[in-house]
Amino acid sequence: DIQMTQSPSSLSASVRDRVSITCRASQSISSHLNWYQLKPGKAPKLLIYAASSLQGGVPSRFSGSGSGTDFTLTISSLQPEDFATYYCQQSYGAPFTFGPGTKVDIK
Amino acid sequence: EVQLVQSGAEVKKPGESLKISCKGSGYSFTNYWMDWVRQMPGKGLEWMGSIYPGDSVTRYSPSFQGQVTISADKSISTAYLQWSSLKASDIAVYYCARRVAAAGTRWFDPWGPGTLVTVSS
Repeated sequence: DIQMTQSPSSLSASVRDRVSITCRASQSISSHLNWYQLKPGKAPKLLIYAASSLQGGVPSRFSGSGSGTDFTLTISSLQPEDFATYYCQQSYGAPFTFGPGTKVDIK
Repeated sequence: EVQLVQSGAEVKKPGESLKISCKGSGYSFTNYWMDWVRQMPGKGLEWMGSIYPGDSVTRYSPSFQGQVTISADKSISTAYLQWSSLKASDIAVYYCARRVAAAGTRWFDPWGPGTLVTVSS
């Protein structure tokens, strides 16, 4: 199975801060990397697919980059509604493993 | 609008059976894989397995093979996740998600709101 790691596991930030989350795969997954946002009591939301493609309806302050084994999710200017937990997922092959998550909360 | 509606929260006793559902609408249900994902309390996301409703082919994560059964009824655009004998360790929120395949890759979108399963004696 492909193992996914994320760093940091949590971070505290202020509104309008620039935030970056890193995701690493245990083997090359090309660009088969997706990012999701989870909020308590709500359905998970796709933000980025194929490492850098912004899902329709997702604000442009979200961006993704990387390929191979190292990936980054960046929020250019954190907004109050962005405080949530973020997960990366590899879709290179089953089982489609997720990273352990990064919780973004208010400083 | 593509939508997934999941069945409501369940409270069961250890050893009981359970079947939860996920109804898709707004798209061709038979043409997309449906995936199931577990989130245990305070933990991350785990991919359990999936079904292609067009022909009911299933795939399971090795971690869940033999522990759950995934099925679908394409006549009512509904996928199911079931247990024959629940354990306390099955306490979790279970999400269904439609798998989209395009541009040479795949992703999960949308997701259902989740079904909370509680197992307690």
